[in-house]
Amino acid sequence: DGGITQSPKYLFRKEGQNVTLSCEQNLNHDAMYWYRQDPGQGLRLIYYSQIVNDFQKGDIAEGYSVSREKKESFPLTVTSAQKNPTAFYLCASSYLAGNGYEQYFGPGTRLTVT
Amino acid sequence: GQQVMQIPQYQHVQEGEDFTTYCNSSTTLSNIQWYKQRPGGHPVFLIQLVKSGEVKKQKRLTFQFGEAKKNSSLHITATQTTDVGTYFCAGHDNAGNMLTFGGGTRLMVKP
Repeated sequence: DGGITQSPKYLFRKEGQNVTLSCEQNLNHDAMYWYRQDPGQGLRLIYYSQIVNDFQKGDIAEGYSVSREKKESFPLTVTSAQKNPTAFYLCASSYLAGNGYEQYFGPGTRLTVT
Repeated sequence: GQQVMQIPQYQHVQEGEDFTTYCNSSTTLSNIQWYKQRPGGHPVFLIQLVKSGEVKKQKRLTFQFGEAKKNSSLHITATQTTDVGTYFCAGHDNAGNMLTFGGGTRLMVKP
């Protein structure tokens, strides 16, 4: 059954702690993306990766870090430097980056930091 | 940078009424995509438009891409409760690998 998995669905952390969100895909897609969604808001791009061992900053990369060591996996670390980390985080993938390719989204992780 | 705006932000309709959401970009787009996110869910791809003036239909949904490739619309005829959700437009500009999303229009349908 092909798709994108994100875990966990809900995550609670104390302020000052780093936390890593998991994203795995078995669609054989080259491109992967991380978005942040705040209540009633659209999606804002945090980081994207076009290929293994390569990634680029999106519009709101500050306070986040990523790695792409395997084609299937694109974990996102929310660092203590992120001022407002509580949000819904969505991972997506597409066959290739760029024009003409639809994005497939995972179910998301709701992160709450107190 | 590129900005994509959607109006309205919210829309309440009675079941059976029509619904339209509008999308406007600050720059010319190479394509526009539409996604639907059900409450508590994740965005799901609906369609992509590429050509200037293009119109595509999916059952009760009609999608249009403007002649200048800077605006788009989604029209739903005779809404049903299953149409409830947030509809996002998203566009690639001619340069980039990044998809810029609009803020979305949340549709609520009263049975």
